[in-house]
Amino acid sequence: ETGVTQTPRHLVMGMTNKKSLKCEQHLGHNAMYWYKQSAKKPLELMFVYSLEERVENNSVPSRFSPECPNSSHLFLHLHTLQPEDSALYLCASSQDLLAGLNEQFFGPGTRLTVL
Amino acid sequence: AQSVTQLGSHVSVSEGALVLLRCNYSSSVPPYLFWYVQYPNQGLQLLLKYTSAATLVKGINGFEAEFKKSETSFHLTIPSAHMSDAAEYFCAVKPGGYNKLIFGAGTRLAVHP
Repeated sequence: ETGVTQTPRHLVMGMTNKKSLKCEQHLGHNAMYWYKQSAKKPLELMFVYSLEERVENNSVPSRFSPECPNSSHLFLHLHTLQPEDSALYLCASSQDLLAGLNEQFFGPGTRLTVL
Repeated sequence: AQSVTQLGSHVSVSEGALVLLRCNYSSSVPPYLFWYVQYPNQGLQLLLKYTSAATLVKGINGFEAEFKKSETSFHLTIPSAHMSDAAEYFCAVKPGGYNKLIFGAGTRLAVHP
């Protein structure tokens, strides 16, 4: 595997389910991100992790719970979601959080549908 | 607050046509600027980035973007559109400080024969 991978690619869940999205980066990066991409809206940054520590949480509802057990893996745990949470969830990584041209590399995303 | 505006959510062109995708930003400090492309069912891929070394930035496949400070713009030009260029294009700004990107709403490009 190379780059940033995400599983599953598609997920359908009911509002009472609990599921998790997984992201893995094979680039040796130290920073990882979760974005939400909804139709007709700009990408929304949800969470930022640097060296496994959360450095940003952009007013995301508590039904989304991130976890970063190590610098290569990032999870997004989901519970009691709402239909408006249906979106494409993108994971990204970068070398670190320092200023400068730290390119973010994106995974292919998980298409989430909440029924 | 920093923001990015992309004029035109949809652009449709004929194959071989010149394409201009517009991006304007607001930033209180000299920004870093990026263009990303998203093909169907894929994540975002970096096309090119503004480094402040040159105002005309060239990317892959002949794509280029010009930074104009006076207009706070970073428009993307595709010299000759191919069917394979059909995708959604996102402009993003990194205002400075740590590595946080602010994205525009995107422009979906359709290319027809």
